[in-house]
Amino acid sequence: GAGVSQSPSNKVTEKGKDVELRCDPISGHTALYWYRQSLGQGLEFLIYFQGNSAPDKSGLPSDRFSAERTGGSVSTLTIQRTQQEDSAVYLCASSLEIGGTDTQYFGPGTRLTVL
Amino acid sequence: GENVEQHPSTLSVQEGDSAVIKCTYSDSASNYFPWYKQELGKGPQLIIDIRSNVGEKKDQRIAVTLNKTAKHFSLHITETQPEDSAVYFCAAMYNNNDMRFGAGTRLTVKP
Repeated sequence: GAGVSQSPSNKVTEKGKDVELRCDPISGHTALYWYRQSLGQGLEFLIYFQGNSAPDKSGLPSDRFSAERTGGSVSTLTIQRTQQEDSAVYLCASSLEIGGTDTQYFGPGTRLTVL
Repeated sequence: GENVEQHPSTLSVQEGDSAVIKCTYSDSASNYFPWYKQELGKGPQLIIDIRSNVGEKKDQRIAVTLNKTAKHFSLHITETQPEDSAVYFCAAMYNNNDMRFGAGTRLTVKP
C-alpha cells in the first residue's frame, strides 16, 4: 500500500522567506511525527500529533516553527522567516496509534536549503 | 529526558564479515528500541525492533540484543553484503511518544 508521502522533495528558499512542508501519512494512522535531520546528524524530534489531541510541540526549536494537522490526516510544517541554520532534511513519520509500541513509518523527506 | 548514544560513527567491513553497532540509553523507562536503515536520499526504514520485555530478537541476518540492566542495545548484521551499506540509526522511545535517535553509524561493506 501507499506509504508516507512528503512534498516538495526539495525546496530552495531565500533567507527570511516562509516555507510550508507537507506530509501525507499512511491512511488510518492516527499518530504523526515531524523530525529534522541536519547534514551528517541524527534525527531531531520536532512535534507529534495524536488524533485530535493537542500536539506535543516540545521539540520545536523556535517560535518560527509551527505545524498543523487538518482532519487528523495531512500535516503541514511551516517555518517563518527562514534562517540558514534551518537548512536540513525534514522527515515525517506516522504510526497506527500512540503507545510506544507501534512502528513509525517514515516518508522520503523534504530537503530544505535556505540561501 | 532520554539521551541515546551510538557507536561507532563509521564502520567499514569486508563483505561476508559481521558488523556490530552499539547504543546506550539513559532513561530506564524506555521500552521500545527500533533500528532504522537510511539509504542515500531516502527516509529511514525500520529493519528490526525490540521491546523491553525481550532480550534478543533475530530476523535472518539481522539480530538485536537488549541489556536493560546496563541500558544498552546492539545491532548485529552477519554475512554482510554491499547492499547493507547505509547509515543505521538506533532509537529509544520513552514517555510513550518521544523517540530519541542516536547520531547514526555509516556502514560501508567492501566487496
